Amino acid sequence: SQELEQSPQSLIVQEGKNLTINCTSSKTLYGLYWYKQKYGEGLIFLMMLQKGGEEKSHEKITAKLDEKKQQSSLHITASQPSHAGIYLCGADNTGGFKTIFGAGTRLFVKA
Amino acid sequence: GAGVSQSPSNKVTEKGKDVELRCDPISGHTALYWYRQRLGQGLEFLIYFQGNSAPDKSGLPSDRFSAERTGESVSTLTIQRTQQEDSAVYLCASSLSWLAGGHRNIQYFGAGTRLSVL
Repeated sequence: SQELEQSPQSLIVQEGKNLTINCTSSKTLYGLYWYKQKYGEGLIFLMMLQKGGEEKSHEKITAKLDEKKQQSSLHITASQPSHAGIYLCGADNTGGFKTIFGAGTRLFVKA
Repeated sequence: GAGVSQSPSNKVTEKGKDVELRCDPISGHTALYWYRQRLGQGLEFLIYFQGNSAPDKSGLPSDRFSAERTGESVSTLTIQRTQQEDSAVYLCASSLSWLAGGHRNIQYFGAGTRLSVL
């Protein structure tokens, strides 16, 4: 079965610093989703990537899907306290219908 | 509605009691999903609905768990004879379609129901 591994598990950065979170799949990714979750809240959809080499940006967050479509990275530029939370990647399970999720990366931003 | 709505937001129950969790998906979304998230862990897929049909129930942890959906709207997740291990946040999501790939498959999540079994 397909698995998603996220790294790092947690991350503490100083406000203003850049950071990268990775999501690696055991199989080819056909659809890769990035979500953000704050404590006590549901998941907020950030971006979706489908094509190898695709890159999308939203405000100061950029996500890329590598050419071989087995890894995605999420990059935050000039981090702010509002970026703190849990970032989860999700992927369409091979054969469709079911989205699997990574365990998440906990981001803390020190003011 | 504007977003996925779940109720109650918090539920405290005694071991052995039954609980019902409700999910109102985004209007027009034909697919609906239930997940469980234990403290500090990722999402555990439970079940999904295509309309009111649930083709895959293999994610349900035990026969104490069941779910149903009325038409393409409200869904309820029922846990019978709750155990302390059932304590978790139960998240519901909906998407336009259940077909793999494309923006129609993007899942939008509710805020979850935090279940505590004493």
